Amino acid sequence: EVQLVESGGGLVQPGGSLRLSCAASGFTFSSYEMNWVRQAPGKGLEWVSYISSSGSTIYYADSVKGRFTISRDNAKNSLYLQMNSLRAEDTAVYYCARGFVTMTGPAFDIWGQGTMVTVSS
Amino acid sequence: DIQLTQSPSFLSASVGDRVTITCRASQGISSYLAWYQQKPGKAPKLLIYAASTLQSGVPSRFSGSGSGTEFTLTISSLQPEDFATYYCQQLNSYPRGPLTFGGGTKVEIK
Repeated sequence: EVQLVESGGGLVQPGGSLRLSCAASGFTFSSYEMNWVRQAPGKGLEWVSYISSSGSTIYYADSVKGRFTISRDNAKNSLYLQMNSLRAEDTAVYYCARGFVTMTGPAFDIWGQGTMVTVSS
Repeated sequence: DIQLTQSPSFLSASVGDRVTITCRASQGISSYLAWYQQKPGKAPKLLIYAASTLQSGVPSRFSGSGSGTEFTLTISSLQPEDFATYYCQQLNSYPRGPLTFGGGTKVEIK
């Protein structure tokens, strides 16, 4: 079964750090681009970051640039999001999502169940 | 950045109804638009990509159309399991981003 499972969420104080993980199974992880998407409580979806299949190309949303770092370990079938200088507005469920690129266009075809990050004192 | 405006933001409908949700982009995005369904407490699920291509395993009552700046998601005959929130996403700038989502349309039972 194709699956993504996030972990690492929790309660952290403003200014603190947290590292999220996303474990992939059921597909050749090293062949796929990956993304992080977040959703604040009761709000819509916000794309956070992208990483290419090799890890050589990375992009971030302006809201997290300079504070968050995406990475991957293809040998461990794992995706990561290092979050530093956390703010209250980073409070959200964080999803990892697989990039699905076709001749007609891309999309995010597989999503994890999400991990909750709460930034509060 | 490209903005996506979904309408309506809330929709009340009955089982068997035909439902249409609109997504408008602030500038042309060709056909680089996807639709997702999200149920409470669950991850989003891909329904349609490239504006009109049905993702494998998604029931044929779902369809998408449009290009440029105006797009629609249609559910031809609403089923009980379709009550959820629907989001559009533009991927015109994939992968550089920002890969913006619409504000969502919540479909509830009338």
